[in-house]
Parts: sequence; structure tokens; C-alpha cells
Amino acid sequence: DAKTTQPNSMESNEEEPVHLPCNHSTISGTDYIHWYRQLPSQGPEYVIHGLTSNVNNRMASLAIAEDRKSSTLILHRATLRDAAVYYCILRHHSGGGADGLTFGKGTHLIIQP
Amino acid sequence: DSGVTQTPKHLITATGQRVTLRCSPRSGDLSVYWYQQSLDQGLQFLIQYYNGEERAKGNILERFSAQQFPDLHSELNLSSLELGDSALYFCASSPDGQRMTDTQYFGPGTRLTVL
Repeated sequence: DAKTTQPNSMESNEEEPVHLPCNHSTISGTDYIHWYRQLPSQGPEYVIHGLTSNVNNRMASLAIAEDRKSSTLILHRATLRDAAVYYCILRHHSGGGADGLTFGKGTHLIIQP
Repeated sequence: DSGVTQTPKHLITATGQRVTLRCSPRSGDLSVYWYQQSLDQGLQFLIQYYNGEERAKGNILERFSAQQFPDLHSELNLSSLELGDSALYFCASSPDGQRMTDTQYFGPGTRLTVL
């Protein structure tokens, strides 16, 4: 399985942009890049996903490198509520369909007021 | 609120016992996933059901089993419990569980403590 590498933790200030990197050098051509986050004492929640092109939604932007070996989740204006563990996950198609998510250790994002 | 409900919120039991965790997926979602989160192992995928049938297996122990009922709710049964089974158990649901773009919606979890 293709693996992802993320920094253990990052710190940012409130109302500033945050760039969370993820390396996935062994990604295959059909792997989708998904990001989930887990707020304290909650279940994970979906943030964004992409295949090749950059993606934007109301929560964040996803910038994917041209060679797809890395990606960056961008929070445009972090708030205290964005303090969470962010997981970068590769999804690939197994014989039966989309399997469960494989979570790594993720990046613990700390937001300073 | 993701729309996925899990009961109970907390469960305290003794070693050797058996417990059942329940999950109701979001309305219309056909696929249910179970995950275990512990301090040493992190978040691990256990098993997936799609429309009543087992679809995929992850790191699920033989002492654990699951099923999805005709109304699409799911139960995770944990038996011969050991101290190491103490963890947060999350259920997630998704519309069909087939597509790589399928989003999973997680419930609030059940915290299991084995004494």
C-alpha cells in the first residue's frame, strides 16, 4: 500500500493561513488523496479530496504537486476551531470497492490565539 | 452532527465479557465501517458492510464480529474481552462504499473500558 508522511505537529496563529504538507512518493496513478481531521473528543470528519487538479471547498484547498508525490492542505484563515489532528490518506480501489480508510499518525495542528 | 449515531457512548465491563456496540448510519447510506482507536495503535479500520453483506475486512480480531441488518443499522460484537480492547470504537457510513471519491461520515464513537 502506498504510504503517506506528515509532520507530527505544526503550530500557527489564529487568522493566518496554514499549509499542511503530505508526502506520498509511492502513490499510484489511480490513488485519490483524501484529507480528514479529528477534533478533540470527536470522530474524524472529511475535509477534502483530489486526484490530480487542485481543489477548493468551503473548508480548505488542496494543492497537488504535478508529479502527485506530495500535496498540501491549505486552511486559508485558521481559527481556534481548526485545532485538530489532520490525516492525509490515499484511497485505492481494491477488488471489492473502496476499502476502509488507512489512517497514519497525522499532523497535530495547534492554533495560537 | 454527521447524522451517524452510536450507542452507548460509554461502556465499562470486565475481562472475559461480551459487549455489543450499535451504529445507525446516515439516512440513505448503504455502507457502514467500523474503526478502533487506541493510544498505541491509532485509528484502525476493522470491517465494512455494504447493504447487509460484508465488503472488506481490516485488522479485525477473530473475537470480534459485526453484522448489518435489513434496516442498515450495524452492530459490532466484541467477545472474550481483554484489557487491550479498551479503546474508542467509531462507526462511519458512506453512500455506497464503492467509489474512491466516497466520503465517510463518522459517528461520535463508543468508549469501551475493560477492567
